[in-house]
This record gives sequence, C-alpha cells and structure tokens, in this order.
Amino acid sequence: ELKVEQNPLFLSMQEGKNYTIYCNYSTTSDRLYWYRQDPGKSLESLFVLLSNGAVKQEGRLMASLDTKARLSTLHITAAVHDLSATYFCAVEGLKYGGSQGNLIFGKGTKLSVKP
Amino acid sequence: EPEVTQTPSHQVTQMGQEVILRCVPISNHLYFYWYRQILGQKVEFLVSFYNNEISEKSEIFDDQFSVERPDGSNFTLKIRSTKLEDSAMYFCASSEWDRVMNTEAFFGQGTRLTVV
Repeated sequence: ELKVEQNPLFLSMQEGKNYTIYCNYSTTSDRLYWYRQDPGKSLESLFVLLSNGAVKQEGRLMASLDTKARLSTLHITAAVHDLSATYFCAVEGLKYGGSQGNLIFGKGTKLSVKP
Repeated sequence: EPEVTQTPSHQVTQMGQEVILRCVPISNHLYFYWYRQILGQKVEFLVSFYNNEISEKSEIFDDQFSVERPDGSNFTLKIRSTKLEDSAMYFCASSEWDRVMNTEAFFGQGTRLTVV
C-alpha cells in the first residue's frame, strides 16, 4: 500500500524565519504534488514536480524532489503571516502504466506564522 | 481562468437519504475525480473517471457510491443511502491527460455534506 508521510504535522513559526516541511513516500513514483489549503477552502496547486532533482520556486516557497530517497521538501524562506495554511503533498497511486492515477495525500502540515 | 465548479456548497441530509453532488469540470479536461476530506483529516481518493467509465476506485467507493457524466459538462457523485460517517467535504477535480507536460489536478471548492 502506498503511504505518504509528512512531517511535521503542525508547525508554528515566527515571521521572518525559515523552515522545511518533509514528505516521504513509499513507492517509486516520479511525480509529486504540493497543494495549499486554507481553512474551509479548496486545494490550491502549488507545485508539480515531475522528475528526480526537480526544484521549483514560487515566492517564499521552494519545493524539491529526490525520487531515489523518495523524499520531497517544501522550504519556506522568511515566512510571512499570509503563508499560514495547511500544506499537503500528494503522490500518484498509479495502477495502470501510462494512465492517469489517483492522488494519495499526506496528512498535511498545518502551518501557523505568527508576527 | 477556467475552474472546477461544484454545487451545492453545503448539503444537509438525513441518514438513509440519497444525495447527488454535482460538478462541472474544466471544459477541455479528460480525467475527472472525486475526493473526500473528513473534517480535520487528510484528503482521500474516491474514484477517477475517464472516457465515460470508472478507471480507478478506492475501497471507500463501495456499492453505495456511483458516478455519472450525464451530459457533456456535468460529473456527479451519488450516495444512495447516506450514513453518518459520509459527512465530509467532497471535492471534485479534473485534469488533462498529458503525463509528459502536466498532470496537475484542479480542485473545485467542495461540497460540505452533513448527514444527520
């Protein structure tokens, strides 16, 4: 069974600080997704990582993927209050070669950035 | 910007009743999905749909659930006889089938189902 584990599950940090969220998964998938969810809202796509060594950056967030280690990281630089949300990583649970698979989500990391 | 739309935003139903959740995927997308999120928990895959048939389903998607694309735009999730534990936020999502360039799934705003 494919497992996706995130840590930490809860993260309280001060504005201006840096931190990293980790996402480990248990299969050989080479695709990983990061989503953001605000309370009561939908899932907003942040990053799509499609290959080993992929690195993407958007503003204060940077995501990377190491498929050999089955690890993705989401690094937060100089956090601001607006980044407070829950962040999910997800991996495709492919069953059929070449077809679109479902997404298996981690439990999410609830980030709270305090002034 | 194209988006996935879901209706209703909130549905309250009595246990044992049938509910239909509706979704309009992004128009040029080919894959459609339903996910659910029980309050405070992780997002769970229910079913994927392609070319007018189910391509994958999880163990959650039992005989009480069904999906349909009744016309060229809508994608529905039916729960035949709701149980208390079906209370959750249900998200519809859609994606293009392009594994080389971009397989990103876009999610709707969700329907909060409350079974009483």
